[in-house]
Amino acid sequence: QQPVQSPQAVILREGEDAVINCSSSKALYSVHWYRQKHGEAPVFLMILLKGGEQKGHEKISASFNEKKQQSSLYLTASQLSYSGTYFCGTERQAGTALIFGKGTTLSVSS
Amino acid sequence: GAVVSQHPSRVICKSGTSVKIECRSLDFQATTMFWYRQFPKQSLMLMATSNEGSKATYEQGVEKDKFLINHASLTLSTLTVTSAHPEDSSFYICSARERGTQYFGPGTRLLVL
Repeated sequence: QQPVQSPQAVILREGEDAVINCSSSKALYSVHWYRQKHGEAPVFLMILLKGGEQKGHEKISASFNEKKQQSSLYLTASQLSYSGTYFCGTERQAGTALIFGKGTTLSVSS
Repeated sequence: GAVVSQHPSRVICKSGTSVKIECRSLDFQATTMFWYRQFPKQSLMLMATSNEGSKATYEQGVEKDKFLINHASLTLSTLTVTSAHPEDSSFYICSARERGTQYFGPGTRLLVL
């Protein structure tokens, strides 16, 4: 069951904020977030385990609402380097493969 | 973080030939590795789970006789695309899990002429 990401695309100017959402119809063990630049492999950003935790990485943070099976990625004061496609990967049981959403393309301009 | 390598990074082959892609975990051991395929502007689609010392588990719709997976050691998994056709042209990416985090290799871009 592929998770649903929204929005499909976001266009920002430097310094603006964005939120990317990821939802699943099935119970999840964890949610993983990645950023992929054109022609490159995805780069790991953070992992959130069930329990409703929230994590941060510089100006990028995320939350996981276990009851709603939803995760959100928050990008604050966006930088040009934030441009890329963001994927959420969901894990239904520990140790199983990640199933990825369709991605959200973020474009940050100066 | 952990490092996963892939070789080759890019390959061009003729239709009907076979291509082998290697995936290595460089600084950790991985009993399980995953193979994904990504078409342009699309998501990463799981092809199979590679298990060290046992048969791979393929996702529905992925032909196991066409995409041969061998996980002979704790640091190496190989994907062989047999009798490749132009529709197999894609970006193939492997990943391995280390302490709960799934790390991706740099990917292999396959072009079948």
